[in-house]
Amino acid sequence: GDSVTQMEGPVTLSEEAFLTINCTYTATGYPSLFWYVQYPGEGLQLLLKATKADDKGSNKGFEATYRKETTSFHLEKGSVQVSDSAVYFCALSSGGSNYKLTFGKGTLLTVNP
Amino acid sequence: GAGVSQSPSNKVTEKGKDVELRCDPISGHTALYWYRQSLGQGLEFLIYFQGNSAPDKSGLPSDRFSAERTGGSVSTLTIQRTQQEDSAVYLCASRGGETQYFGPGTRLLVL
Repeated sequence: GDSVTQMEGPVTLSEEAFLTINCTYTATGYPSLFWYVQYPGEGLQLLLKATKADDKGSNKGFEATYRKETTSFHLEKGSVQVSDSAVYFCALSSGGSNYKLTFGKGTLLTVNP
Repeated sequence: GAGVSQSPSNKVTEKGKDVELRCDPISGHTALYWYRQSLGQGLEFLIYFQGNSAPDKSGLPSDRFSAERTGGSVSTLTIQRTQQEDSAVYLCASRGGETQYFGPGTRLLVL
């Protein structure tokens, strides 16, 4: 079945540091890939997505590239801010009949001033 | 508001009681999902509704869990005879295109 493996953390960085959160997946067919973010006390929000190989999703300075050859979708940001402190979830949707999301376990990021 | 809404935001109940959780999806979204977020299991798919089709119940953990969607809009997730392991945040999402939009969740605590 489908699965997502992501770096569990927690990850602690200083402001302006470079961020990478690794995500790899196993899926049948050609899934769509997503990063969701959950800020403290808030619900899940879509951060970015990519629907086919070599697509790059980007938003708020975050980027992730759909790499079919390595089945990966690593999240990166060049310079993190304190306000980026949150839990980040990598997810996939295989489409098919229901488009349900399969999530990784989440990575807690704390950015210190 | 234009987002997914859920109620109640928090629910505390006693073991053995029944609970009902409500979800109002984004207007016009025909696909609706329930997920559960718990410390031990992460985020798990529970059930999926699409229009008037039979729901996909493949993620429901036991027959104590059921859900319905009336009129293609509001959905209710019911947990009968709650157990302590049911304590979790229950998330509802509706889908536009390929993207699912999540509500704020209902935090359920079973004592």
